[in-house]
Amino acid sequence: DTAVSQTPKYLVTQMGNDKSIKCEQNLGHDTMYWYKQDSKKFLKIMFSYNNKELIINETVPNRFSPKSPDKAHLNLHINSLELGDSAVYFCASSQVGGRDRNTIYFGEGSWLTVV
Amino acid sequence: GESVGLHLPTLSVQEGDNSIINCAYSNSASDYFIWYKQESGKGPQFIIDIRSNMDKRQGQRVTVLLNKTVKHLSLQIAATQPGDSAVYFCAETYAGGTSYGKLTFGQGTILTVHP
Repeated sequence: DTAVSQTPKYLVTQMGNDKSIKCEQNLGHDTMYWYKQDSKKFLKIMFSYNNKELIINETVPNRFSPKSPDKAHLNLHINSLELGDSAVYFCASSQVGGRDRNTIYFGEGSWLTVV
Repeated sequence: GESVGLHLPTLSVQEGDNSIINCAYSNSASDYFIWYKQESGKGPQFIIDIRSNMDKRQGQRVTVLLNKTVKHLSLQIAATQPGDSAVYFCAETYAGGTSYGKLTFGQGTILTVHP
């Protein structure tokens, strides 16, 4: 009954490959996010979607393409992987409005290593 | 160990001591602040939040203080326990408009609690 779940947890792949990370939330939230955490633990937002509509796109290379088939899912597809893409990618969700608004819940992370 | 090369601020305390973790935020327009705890191999976990119209908020064993004049945030943990050992992040955002959900994270502080 994990609130925000993402798969895979670990992914090792070669440069140039294309890979996807999937995320699902069962909290009934209407907003989902992708954050990236680098090797220095620095966390930075990449994208946010509200009701399947892209809201925030933080100057992320075009090789990264988020897709939200419905408001409970936000997947991240990465083309032509580069060494610098190695990081931990966190999916998150929140609900606009309501008592619990502004609280952003994070998944457990997907550790991507590009070799 | 995990912290090698990270160069994050560190705080080392004895079990039962009180801990204070500090954070300087950058944006004067931010009106909502959150503390997250990140344990090894996991995603950030919400601890406590505070809005800019308050200067103090208490939770269970935790207190957040906000000083908007100097743009400073602190997290106080009472009677620190070994299970509190983690990396602690402060985050700021402006809870309105299209920036909603765009958390800007601080660099993180490693808290180590010795039994």
